[in-house]
Amino acid sequence: GNSVTQMEGPVTLSEEAFLTINCTYTATGYPSLFWYVQYPGEGLQLLLKATKADDKGSNKGFEATYRKETTSFHLEKGSVQVSDSAVYFCALSEVQGAQKLVFGQGTRLTINP
Amino acid sequence: NAGVTQTPKFRILKIGQSMTLQCTQDMNHNYMYWYRQDPGMGLKLIYYSVGAGITDKGEVPNGYNVSRSTTEDFPLRLELAAPSQTSVYFCASRPKPGQATMNTEAFFGQGTRLTVV
Repeated sequence: GNSVTQMEGPVTLSEEAFLTINCTYTATGYPSLFWYVQYPGEGLQLLLKATKADDKGSNKGFEATYRKETTSFHLEKGSVQVSDSAVYFCALSEVQGAQKLVFGQGTRLTINP
Repeated sequence: NAGVTQTPKFRILKIGQSMTLQCTQDMNHNYMYWYRQDPGMGLKLIYYSVGAGITDKGEVPNGYNVSRSTTEDFPLRLELAAPSQTSVYFCASRPKPGQATMNTEAFFGQGTRLTVV
């Protein structure tokens, strides 16, 4: 079945550091890929998405590129801020049917000033 | 715009008690989902629905039931609460894909934190 594997956390960085959170997936067909963010005490919010190979999703300075050859969708940001502290989830979605989301285990990110 | 609303936000249950977690959305979305989030784990799909009157099991359905009598509401029922059901529960919805948008964004509620003691 479909699955998503994220790099294990927690991750702690200083403000303005470069961020990479690795994500790889296993899927049949050509799923859509997502990064969701969960701030403390809140639900999940869509951060960015990519729906086909070589697409780059971007939002709020974050980027991720859909790499079919390496089945990866790594999240990057050039200069993180304290406000980026949150839990980040990589996910894939079936293109057909009920489009169920399959999530990675989440990576807790803490940015220190 | 309320989006996806879950109630209650917190609940403590005793073993063997039952309860219903409420979820309602005001975006006229066809697809709705229930997930549970355990510490250090990703979200696991419990049940889902592609429209009123249609529900199906997800990855971890045991101990739960759902119904979908209207487009707006998708309640999750726990009949005999067990400690293993201690978790944070999230409801989500998304519109049915159209011709122009093959994959649509899912919107999540703020979650219900349930403790079974």
